Amino acid sequence: ETGVTQSPTHLIKTRGQQVTLRCSSQSGHNTVSWYQQALGQGPQFIFQYYREEENGRGNFPPRFSGLQFPNYSSELNVNALELDDSALYLCASSLGQTSTDTQYFGPGTRLTVL
Amino acid sequence: DQQVKQNSPSLSVQEGRISILNCDYTNSMFDYFLWYKKYPAEGPTFLISISSIKDKNEDGRFTVFLNKSAKHLSLHIVPSQPGDSAVYFCAAQIQGAQKLVFGQGTRLTINP
Repeated sequence: ETGVTQSPTHLIKTRGQQVTLRCSSQSGHNTVSWYQQALGQGPQFIFQYYREEENGRGNFPPRFSGLQFPNYSSELNVNALELDDSALYLCASSLGQTSTDTQYFGPGTRLTVL
Repeated sequence: DQQVKQNSPSLSVQEGRISILNCDYTNSMFDYFLWYKKYPAEGPTFLISISSIKDKNEDGRFTVFLNKSAKHLSLHIVPSQPGDSAVYFCAAQIQGAQKLVFGQGTRLTINP
């Protein structure tokens, strides 16, 4: 069984640019959540997708957007990058959207904005 | 507004002894709590969870205790092993929602 994978591993962008991060869910999982982890902090919830529909959003501006595809893989897009967007971006997949469905995390994408 | 707090950024414990990691929360709507462990260059790995209807859950060397009146939970690791050295995050959820609210993490170091 393949776990959650993310690409790329590292990325460097400049302020104002746009970035797309990718996540491949664990086999059979139909729910994906994205988190931002700033240095020295815990992960913060960005949003969740369930069967290709956004199903909850954290306190992030609209320039953070996402997609989930029919094969349940997912993208996180960030427009107009700011310096504070530098962080580790984690995706997590689960079998369902209830609180008892364990979320399995990928290794993350480290984004640096210069 | 930090709803889940881990007030100890780091903890050092001797191999074989008990490690106790603490977590406090402020939102009384939280009713499901989890602990995740994170090694460098890896994503967080689920360790153990507890529902608010229980006050203790045990899985091998790991036990989580929940004190609802104090809004406090703790993770006990007995006996501690060198492979337990990692950053530990506690997280909380509201029933029916998948959003995890994480604490800042505690770096646990097990010394031989």
